Amino acid sequence: TQLLEQSPQFLSIQEGENLTVYCNSSSVFSSLQWYRQEPGEGPVLLVTVVTGGEVKKLKRLTFQFGDARKDSSLHITAAQPGDTGLYLCAGAGKNGGSQGNLIFGKGTKLSVKP
Amino acid sequence: DTAVSQTPKYLVTQMGNDKSIKCEQNLGHDTMYWYKQDSKKFLKIMFSYNNKELIINETVPNRFSPKSPDKAHLNLHINSLELGDSAVYFCASSQLWGRAGELFFGEGSRLTVL
Repeated sequence: TQLLEQSPQFLSIQEGENLTVYCNSSSVFSSLQWYRQEPGEGPVLLVTVVTGGEVKKLKRLTFQFGDARKDSSLHITAAQPGDTGLYLCAGAGKNGGSQGNLIFGKGTKLSVKP
Repeated sequence: DTAVSQTPKYLVTQMGNDKSIKCEQNLGHDTMYWYKQDSKKFLKIMFSYNNKELIINETVPNRFSPKSPDKAHLNLHINSLELGDSAVYFCASSQLWGRAGELFFGEGSRLTVL
């Protein structure tokens, strides 16, 4: 059983479209991180959310942490080919445990066609 | 100047051989990790070291042995390689153990066991 379920697994869209990807869990996390991984490289942190209900914006990317700190979403406005990559969510401090062990979801593979 | 560097980037070897992957970080971080990413892109923690001490040891076969000669280095030695060990292995570091800080990943080492 996956602790963090990401959906959709795959997403292929045209440049200019909007999209939302989800990260859901039945566990409560102290914080949640989103990473983007490009082919042949390691994941790179995009954002960390720590407060239930928190919304953070990074240019065209909007991240939200659920009120109960069990889920998160990433919304991309007017997607561009440069947004293509694997988006990974990672939770820390599951059910009040150590924050040192990040648990990753399986990722959403996004492809934005020009 | 690469923050987290691992070598080699590619490794192709026969079943039964022993191989090592080296990792170095120049960020001055206290904590280093080894993650395994399988063919479905699932990223799973294997080991974590804080100040050269083993903190996390997930259910990884004894054939895998990490070694941290100092805070800046964490190497991974694998004995008696099996087909199922084929994956991309990522080294990562973070500033402090126990805090949900950013993980800085290396570029990965793609291991193929024939």
